[in-house]
Amino acid sequence: DGGITQSPKYLFRKEGQNVTLSCEQNLNHDAMYWYRQDPGQGLRLIYYSQIVNDFQKGDIAEGYSVSREKKESFPLTVTSAQKNPTAFYLCASSDADGDVYNEQFFGPGTRLTVL
Amino acid sequence: GDSVTQMEGPVTLSEEAFLTINCTYTATGYPSLFWYVQYPGEGLQLLLKATKADDKGSNKGFEATYRKETTSFHLEKGSVQVSDSAVYFCALSQRGGADGLTFGKGTHLIIQP
Repeated sequence: DGGITQSPKYLFRKEGQNVTLSCEQNLNHDAMYWYRQDPGQGLRLIYYSQIVNDFQKGDIAEGYSVSREKKESFPLTVTSAQKNPTAFYLCASSDADGDVYNEQFFGPGTRLTVL
Repeated sequence: GDSVTQMEGPVTLSEEAFLTINCTYTATGYPSLFWYVQYPGEGLQLLLKATKADDKGSNKGFEATYRKETTSFHLEKGSVQVSDSAVYFCALSQRGGADGLTFGKGTHLIIQP
């Protein structure tokens, strides 16, 4: 079955530590995205990538970093510079018909808690 | 910048009631509009979409019509079930969706038997 996997589902880290969240898709989608969700808030875009080896900052990129070395993988690193990292992180992907990107498919999410 | 505004929740209804969740947007040009649903502890699932004015998206008994004149995309369902309890997000995309989605804050729907 095609889909998006995120691991782990729950992640605990001590303050000041970097942590990397995994996102893998086997949908052969070109574009991948990372969002952050906080209680009572909508989703906010952190980073996105439309092709391999290229990515752009979203609305709240400070304190985060990404890489896109393979089409199917888009890991997100939450660095110690992120002031409030505890949140639910969602990865998504979409394919493109020319310049038009279709709807986004979401993974199950990773809940990060910084102690 | 672009923005999406949804009615505040939680919205509590009895089973078989009529549902409306309001969504309005601010955006330049002609964005695509979406409704996503999130069940507890899970990611988002696309519920329906509309890509141009007057389009009606529909799925699983839910409907929404893209109204350019009122910049709205209200979600409706004629008879809700307990299994419809979830958080519903309205969202838009520009430039064919290349730059990601802009989301509303979500509306928590609770259906009581």
